[in-house]
Amino acid sequence: GQQVMQIPQYQHVQEGEDFTTYCNSSTTLSNIQWYKQRPGGHPVFLIQLVKSGEVKKQKRLTFQFGEAKKNSSLHITATQTTDVGTYFCAGHTETSYDKVIFGPGTSLSVIP
Amino acid sequence: DAGITQSPRHKVTETGTPVTLRCHQTENHRYMYWYRQDPGHGLRLIHYSYGVKDTDKGEVSDGYSVSRSKTEDFLLTLESATSSQTSVYFCAISLHREAEEKLFFGSGTQLSVL
Repeated sequence: GQQVMQIPQYQHVQEGEDFTTYCNSSTTLSNIQWYKQRPGGHPVFLIQLVKSGEVKKQKRLTFQFGEAKKNSSLHITATQTTDVGTYFCAGHTETSYDKVIFGPGTSLSVIP
Repeated sequence: DAGITQSPRHKVTETGTPVTLRCHQTENHRYMYWYRQDPGHGLRLIHYSYGVKDTDKGEVSDGYSVSRSKTEDFLLTLESATSSQTSVYFCAISLHREAEEKLFFGSGTQLSVL
């Protein structure tokens, strides 16, 4: 079946450092979505990418969708303590559009 | 948010007992999902629904059943709970707005099976 992997599983950074998490799918995705979950909370939608090679920015966050539509990345510039949480990628495959499959997430800790 | 509520918020039960979790939405969204969240596994899809009485299995459906007799309610049932089903359960609905699809999640149900 489809698998979505993310690396790293955990990342500890000093406040002000950059952070990147990578998402890889075993199959081609029709789109990729990113979510953030604060400790004790529920996942919250951040963004969706649809086109091959697409890049989107939200303030200090940059999202990329790979050319083959099998991988994606989230980069945070100059992390802040408010960035703490777990970041998940998720997507539909091109053959099973109803299902939204999540990666295992990357847990980010920011040291003040 | 998207008018989605889960109940109960917390549940402690014994092995072998049946348990039903409820997800309720107020905006007539077609797609609804049940996920479980465990450390190291992220969110794993249990079952989903694409309309009244239309459901399908996800990645980890064994030991779970679902029902959707009304648009607004999506029920997840553990027929005979096991300790391996101790988890946080999230319901989600799918929203399509302005050519963008996103999932909105409920606040989750913490289930402990002793």
